[in-house]
Amino acid sequence: GAGVSQSPSNKVTEKGKDVELRCDPISGHTALYWYRQSLGQGLEFLIYFQGNSAPDKSGLPSDRFSAERTGGSVSTLTIQRTQQEDSAVYLCASSYRAASYYNEQFFGPGTRLTVL
Amino acid sequence: AQSVAQPEDQVNVAEGNPLTVKCTYSVSGNPYLFWYVQYPNRGLQFLLKYITGDNLVKGSYGFEAEFNKSQTSFHLKKPSALVSDSALYFCAFGGAQKLVFGQGTRLTINP
Repeated sequence: GAGVSQSPSNKVTEKGKDVELRCDPISGHTALYWYRQSLGQGLEFLIYFQGNSAPDKSGLPSDRFSAERTGGSVSTLTIQRTQQEDSAVYLCASSYRAASYYNEQFFGPGTRLTVL
Repeated sequence: AQSVAQPEDQVNVAEGNPLTVKCTYSVSGNPYLFWYVQYPNRGLQFLLKYITGDNLVKGSYGFEAEFNKSQTSFHLKKPSALVSDSALYFCAFGGAQKLVFGQGTRLTINP
């Protein structure tokens, strides 16, 4: 079956603009995660959804970052007033069961964001 | 703070030789440990995980990992490396509703 998909695959934007990144999880997966991969910081957790609710927003780096998930499926990560330090690859993942310590996550190919 | 560490940024191995990618953990309680691989311009792919039971875990593409509680390690191994194994490898532990990753090890297999 289809894996996790993300769009766009690449996004170049100017400093100060808003961007929206989209994630389509594997059908039937109830848990959805966003991570950020950058050269200096490695892989960082941003936010996790169980269904449509986000019980853990602890990883969002600032209030310019927000995310939502509708219908228990598609999720959108929005970055407002982008800064150059937001440049990174944004990875989305999903897992079948309610998030727990031992469920493997399935990752999408990522969106490479470049802020000029 | 709980964490995993990958002490080597880069590992180089000749094709056909055994390979080891190292991971150590600092996790309280029972650690749930994972290995993921990232090929160029691709997302992360799950390789294997340790939950409980047998300390030797077998995964995809002929990889295996050994959980060693006394050494707090979870090294990834393969008996005979392929050039196609060249990629970025991440060790991780399962935290509350998220994975916490090591910094990654770039594995290069030389023909």
